[in-house]
Amino acid sequence: DSGVTQTPKHLITATGQRVTLRCSPRSGDLSVYWYQQSLDQGLQFLIQYYNGEERAKGNILERFSAQQFPDLHSELNLSSLELGDSALYFCASSARQGLEETQYFGPGTRLLVL
Amino acid sequence: TQLLEQSPQFLSIQEGENLTVYCNSSSVFSSLQWYRQEPGEGPVLLVTVVTGGEVKKLKRLTFQFGDARKDSSLHITAAQTGDTGLYLCAGGGLNKFYFGSGTKLNVKP
Repeated sequence: DSGVTQTPKHLITATGQRVTLRCSPRSGDLSVYWYQQSLDQGLQFLIQYYNGEERAKGNILERFSAQQFPDLHSELNLSSLELGDSALYFCASSARQGLEETQYFGPGTRLLVL
Repeated sequence: TQLLEQSPQFLSIQEGENLTVYCNSSSVFSSLQWYRQEPGEGPVLLVTVVTGGEVKKLKRLTFQFGDARKDSSLHITAAQTGDTGLYLCAGGGLNKFYFGSGTKLNVKP
């Protein structure tokens, strides 16, 4: 158990819909990262938040947005969903120790768009 | 184009064999991590290497960070069926994290 929680575990929805994925980081971690992993693919970095502020952006579509709240949990909003958005979505929180930034991953949300 | 290239993409071996997987980049990283991911689950951190030339051992797994901090290798001795999974390397810089596409390892009994 990494200490990072994600809900829901599974989500099935239709094209054109909007969903919200939730992530709670490990206690004390200020950074949250969101990743998308399609079938048999590596992890694609979407976005990072640090202590409530956006810190870095990766390959995140304009239809997707995220935020980090004062209690440090984060939400990833996916709108106007397309079939190709079906994937595993992971969040990770990080603890920086000097030069070593270690990411701890949640169990993921499996999204299926029909 | 992936910033981190992993090879081979797929590897299928018999239990008891040794193997090495590679993670290469043209960029320098301040740290590099190796993760193992099982189907439907999140990646689990195996090791972090920071110093160029560093070698870390974790039971039957040996990790090496290149002298120039651009590449890394993971060697598994006497592979077991429990080693089956997707091995991902990830490079860290300031506020950025890049993952390779992974090596899918299958260890047959």
